[in-house]
Amino acid sequence: SYELTQPPSVSVSPGQTATITCSGDRLGHKYACWYQQKPGQSPVLVIYQHTKRPSGIPERFSGSNSGNTATLTISGTQAMDEADYYCQAWDSTTDVVFGGGTKLTVL
Amino acid sequence: QVQLVESGGGLVKPGGSLRLSCAASGFTFSHYYMSWVRQAPGKGLEWVSYISSSSSAIYYADSVKGRFTISRDNAKNSLYLQMNSLRAEDTAVYYCARDGFNYSPFDYWGQGTLVTVSS
Repeated sequence: SYELTQPPSVSVSPGQTATITCSGDRLGHKYACWYQQKPGQSPVLVIYQHTKRPSGIPERFSGSNSGNTATLTISGTQAMDEADYYCQAWDSTTDVVFGGGTKLTVL
Repeated sequence: QVQLVESGGGLVKPGGSLRLSCAASGFTFSHYYMSWVRQAPGKGLEWVSYISSSSSAIYYADSVKGRFTISRDNAKNSLYLQMNSLRAEDTAVYYCARDGFNYSPFDYWGQGTLVTVSS
């Protein structure tokens, strides 16, 4: 079965750039999405189709992809960005796969 | 604005059944695929199932195939998940989410409802 691999944790200082990666076979061809989940809350879509940002999501969130890796970048990270981040893609048009999640700590 | 409100969670014994509901508002429900995604305590997200706008296409994760049934009532703007033969590993918060099919993201999520399977 298809798998997406994320680092369990990433730390960043306030104001710096946070980078969270998601790797999977031929992920660049699979339209990756990213979701933010704060403790006790539901997930929120922050990036879709690798690079697109839904309305209402701050411009400091951006996405990119290259080959087998999708990357979520948060520029000028703020304390409010501390959360779990999940990447997601499709193994086919029907089979949804989530990465294991990355805990972003802003310290 | 888009709202998805789940209900029906609770404590159930292994082998038991439970039916979850999701009430949708703020968009034309009958135009969208709808999905269920779950999250076990302290764990990551797992897609469970989705259903097409007309109910003509339905897909399940292998982990629930044959035990769970997704359905919808477009007249009532509601999504359902009938869960049978429940196991301890089905314990999770179950989220209702809009879309998720064919490269469209899960763009709106409900607040979730907790299902606990325990004797």
